[in-house]
Amino acid sequence: GAVVSQHPSRVICKSGTSVKIECRSLDFQATTMFWYRQFPKKSLMLMATSNEGSKATYEQGVEKDKFLINHASLTLSTLTVTSAHPEDSSFYICSARGLFFSTDTQYFGPGTRLTVL
Amino acid sequence: AQKITQTQPGMFVQEKEAVTLDCTYDTSDPSYGLFWYKQPSSGEMIFLIYQGSYDQQNATEGRYSLNFQKARKSANLVISASQLGDSAMYFCAMRENTQGGSEKLVFGKGTKLTVNP
Repeated sequence: GAVVSQHPSRVICKSGTSVKIECRSLDFQATTMFWYRQFPKKSLMLMATSNEGSKATYEQGVEKDKFLINHASLTLSTLTVTSAHPEDSSFYICSARGLFFSTDTQYFGPGTRLTVL
Repeated sequence: AQKITQTQPGMFVQEKEAVTLDCTYDTSDPSYGLFWYKQPSSGEMIFLIYQGSYDQQNATEGRYSLNFQKARKSANLVISASQLGDSAMYFCAMRENTQGGSEKLVFGKGTKLTVNP
């Protein structure tokens, strides 16, 4: 149980285009989903927290208009990188926390590697 | 100030031996959770073990155990009988409650474990 998927796993796009990344909890309902960014050989940095049906809470320094997050259902959250630039190239990873889990463990998706040319 | 400190950038261990990965944390919140995640080269974050601040006993999950010393604010991960497949980055994380009533995971910088045959 507690499987989280992400799609796509890898995307290459041109500068100026927008990219949407999907995060799905496959076998549980996720009340809260989190989006992280990870640079090479670095730790994970939380970008935003999203609760189903409400606006995402962004961490300081993360541009809301650039990284659009939608959490439309208890099993799906999307991150859209708008007008992507090469500095947005990174590994984006989502996690989800379940509604009825006995602990507050976050389960992570496999990540999406974004390369902006 | 760092909330989670992992002082070992890299560790080496012989196959079948035990290894301890260090983690210290800093919080004034009486209620918190501590997590260990494994990140292989594929990038996915794999949940290993959880310790709640009020848990009386140290958490164990198969070959993983958490040496929780509350007074010292340390939560070291012990991997027994190391296997080649244990080679990966290991991240210690703490659930932190935010002022807005939500919570987030704060990650350490990670320790790269290499298991030698």
